[in-house]
Amino acid sequence: EPEVTQTPSHQVTQMGQEVILRCVPISNHLYFYWYRQILGQKVEFLVSFYNNEISEKSEIFDDQFSVERPDGSNFTLKIRSTKLEDSAMYFCASRLSRGEKLFFGSGTQLSVL
Amino acid sequence: AQSVTQPDIHITVSEGASLELRCNYSYGATPYLFWYVQSPGQGLQLLLKYFSGDTLVQGIKGFEAEFKRSQSSFNLRKPSVHWSDAAEYFCAVGAEGTYKYIFGTGTRLKVLA
Repeated sequence: EPEVTQTPSHQVTQMGQEVILRCVPISNHLYFYWYRQILGQKVEFLVSFYNNEISEKSEIFDDQFSVERPDGSNFTLKIRSTKLEDSAMYFCASRLSRGEKLFFGSGTQLSVL
Repeated sequence: AQSVTQPDIHITVSEGASLELRCNYSYGATPYLFWYVQSPGQGLQLLLKYFSGDTLVQGIKGFEAEFKRSQSSFNLRKPSVHWSDAAEYFCAVGAEGTYKYIFGTGTRLKVLA
């Protein structure tokens, strides 16, 4: 089965630093997502991206966050100035169409110290 | 607003016993409904989905779920649990007019030998 690939699997950063989390969605998919899961809590929607623009975002996704699809294969999440509370597992996901299932990557564990 | 409730935070069953995990949703129209499983340190794997049609859906690993519109429920069942089923299970809802899925808080399943 095709996979969504995320790198790195673990990232440790100092508070205030910028981080970029990288994802390679499934090649023919058109809808891209970032979710996060703080330890012990539920999976939370951050942002969806379609047709080279943000289609929907949550209240978590403030000005510190941005997403980009710089080429035909990568989809990145940037956090400009990390805070302690940004520590979480970040999941990338993609799907072919609105009615299809989401394929999730295995996640990037972000630890902000 | 859409919401998903998983009333059981933890469930413990003996291996070989039957299992039912509860999920209730709130949404005005017919939703898309999903069950995902997350093993420790892993990403989210889709167990099954409901879009329309037959209200009893079969998934992978011997799981099934039944959509009951009158009860706004989509409970996950398995007739005989295996030790490898120990994981966290998330119910999710998506719908027309939105790009995102909303996840429940999850139910952590423990299986006793």
